[in-house]
Amino acid sequence: NAGVTQTPKFRVLKTGQSMTLLCAQDMNHEYMYWYRQDPGMGLRLIHYSVGEGTTAKGEVPDGYNVSRLKKQNFLLGLESAAPSQTSVYFCASSQKGLLAGELFFGEGSRLTVL
Amino acid sequence: KQEVTQIPAALSVPEGENLVLNCSFTDSAIYNLQWFRQDPGKGLTSLLLIQSSQREQTSGRLNASLDKSSGRSTLYIAASQPGDSATYLCAVSADRGSTLGRLYFGRGTQLTVWP
Repeated sequence: NAGVTQTPKFRVLKTGQSMTLLCAQDMNHEYMYWYRQDPGMGLRLIHYSVGEGTTAKGEVPDGYNVSRLKKQNFLLGLESAAPSQTSVYFCASSQKGLLAGELFFGEGSRLTVL
Repeated sequence: KQEVTQIPAALSVPEGENLVLNCSFTDSAIYNLQWFRQDPGKGLTSLLLIQSSQREQTSGRLNASLDKSSGRSTLYIAASQPGDSATYLCAVSADRGSTLGRLYFGRGTQLTVWP
């Protein structure tokens, strides 16, 4: 049972380059989220989606874009990477939303921007 | 803004000890609180979810309590084992206004259980 799968797991970018992180879940969950985890900062919500075709901004959305064209996939894009975006990115999903449901996380994507 | 604090930041104990991890939050208007476990280089695994109307939840050797009015939660681990070594994070879900449903995470307690 795959659960939440993130690709790629590791990536090194140069400042100004673009890239897309892919999150896929096979649990038919409605809600999906992108977080970043930084030392000493905890996890912070970047963007989230409450269903196919919807997206919304989280706590730290600047510099990122997202799309949810298919229910099972949630893409996080960086149009022009900056060193401040060096972080570990986690995707999560839930069936009932944060007000009621358990969150399932992927194993993370470690991004370094030089 | 909701702030979540976890104390201690790190804890090292011998196998077999019962231990308590603490989580405090500044805004008592929460919808629920979750405890997660994170192993090095891995994602988070949900351990326990406590709704704001509940006082505690139990799963095996884990027991989490919630005192919403005082803004505190504790995670109790009985008879600790080396396999319990990980970082434990708590997160609260806001229940008001534009932050409805958003999770706020603490920075975690790094637990090491040695044989």
